[in-house]
Amino acid sequence: QQQVKQSPQSLIVQKGGIPIINCAYENTAFDYFPWYQQFPGKGPALLIAIRPDVSEKKEGRFTISFNKSAKQFSLHIMDSQPGDSATYFCAASVETSGSRLTFGEGTQLTVNP
Amino acid sequence: DGGITQSPKYLFRKEGQNVTLSCEQNLNHDAMYWYRQDPGQGLRLIYYSQIVNDFQKGDIAEGYSVSREKKESFPLTVTSAQKNPTAFYLCASIADSGANVLTFGAGSRLTVL
Repeated sequence: QQQVKQSPQSLIVQKGGIPIINCAYENTAFDYFPWYQQFPGKGPALLIAIRPDVSEKKEGRFTISFNKSAKQFSLHIMDSQPGDSATYFCAASVETSGSRLTFGEGTQLTVNP
Repeated sequence: DGGITQSPKYLFRKEGQNVTLSCEQNLNHDAMYWYRQDPGQGLRLIYYSQIVNDFQKGDIAEGYSVSREKKESFPLTVTSAQKNPTAFYLCASIADSGANVLTFGAGSRLTVL
């Protein structure tokens, strides 16, 4: 199975809240899990990525949590700001084989002032 | 500045007409990709090319065609055989097939009337 399932489809939080976006996968060979951020009218850009040898990775206000046994990973945005309003995509691939990324369905995040 | 240029940004066409979307990169990247983005469906791979004069079908290639005559150019033709062509189309590239960080263009929005 190559699918990556992402939820929720949309999410609204107040400024300062901590939105959480979840992704689940089936292919146990996946070994690279990036998150992409897309602003309206723009192409996605890499936000943060994790490999399964660690359970958590932080970059600024963005944190990926990874649960290998559950085949799930999630993105947390601390102290969210209106400028974080965007669509977020999780993805996965088998990095060692140079395979193509499989993307989740996307989550449209709105952070209200 | 290095990057990916997609044109046109907006395109309107009548049913039954073929349209070609341009994608040019000056990143000296080997691999290039075309994705289709629809609300709630994430990014779906149409075609990709890892080297000049070679390309492979992605997950939704029916009704589309591509060419890769130059390293920097990967145009996508949406043919009249594509049943539901109205969508946002994204071009992307990777330095080589072993890398995993996709660089995306700003996208082209095609509306078929």
